[in-house]
Amino acid sequence: DSGVTQTPKHLITATGQRVTLRCSPRSGDLSVYWYQQSLDQGLQFLIQYYNGEERAKGNILERFSAQQFPDLHSELNLSSLELGDSALYFCASSISTDTQYFGPGTRLTVL
Amino acid sequence: DQQVKQNSPSLSVQEGRISILNCDYTNSMFDYFLWYKKYPAEGPTFLISISSIKDKNEDGRFTVFLNKSAKHLSLHIVPSQPGDSAVYFCAATPETSGSRLTFGEGTQLTVNP
Repeated sequence: DSGVTQTPKHLITATGQRVTLRCSPRSGDLSVYWYQQSLDQGLQFLIQYYNGEERAKGNILERFSAQQFPDLHSELNLSSLELGDSALYFCASSISTDTQYFGPGTRLTVL
Repeated sequence: DQQVKQNSPSLSVQEGRISILNCDYTNSMFDYFLWYKKYPAEGPTFLISISSIKDKNEDGRFTVFLNKSAKHLSLHIVPSQPGDSAVYFCAATPETSGSRLTFGEGTQLTVNP
């Protein structure tokens, strides 16, 4: 158990819908990262927050957004969902700039 | 542009023997390298890391070797155990940024009893 929690575990929704994925980092970790793992691709970095502020952005679509709240939990919002958004979404956390520890992931299925 | 490559999608070894997983990178800004293990339906689990100031780091049965001139790293598992069967991902980051990890495609290791 990495100490990073993600909810929900599974999510099934329809195209055009909007969903929110939630992540609670390990106690004391200030950085939260979001990654996407599609069937045909490896783990792709989406976005990083550090202590409530956006720190780095990767291959994140404009339809996707994230935020980190004062209690350090983070949410990833995915809107206008398309079939191709079906993937595993992982959250990771770290104290600052060191090793990232991953949560169990949320499996999103868009029908 | 795949900056971190794991050229072997799969590797099969006998229990008790050595497993060697390889990883190549192209970005010379990468300074810190990590290996993660992933079981189905679980998140990646951190295994071992190495900074570019070292060429070897050891933790129990796991050793990571870094050859900076060749932009190559490898993970050695000795002795291999059936419970080591998983997908292994190599990841890299510029240490100064400490942000995004760039992952390889992963290698499925199967350790046969």
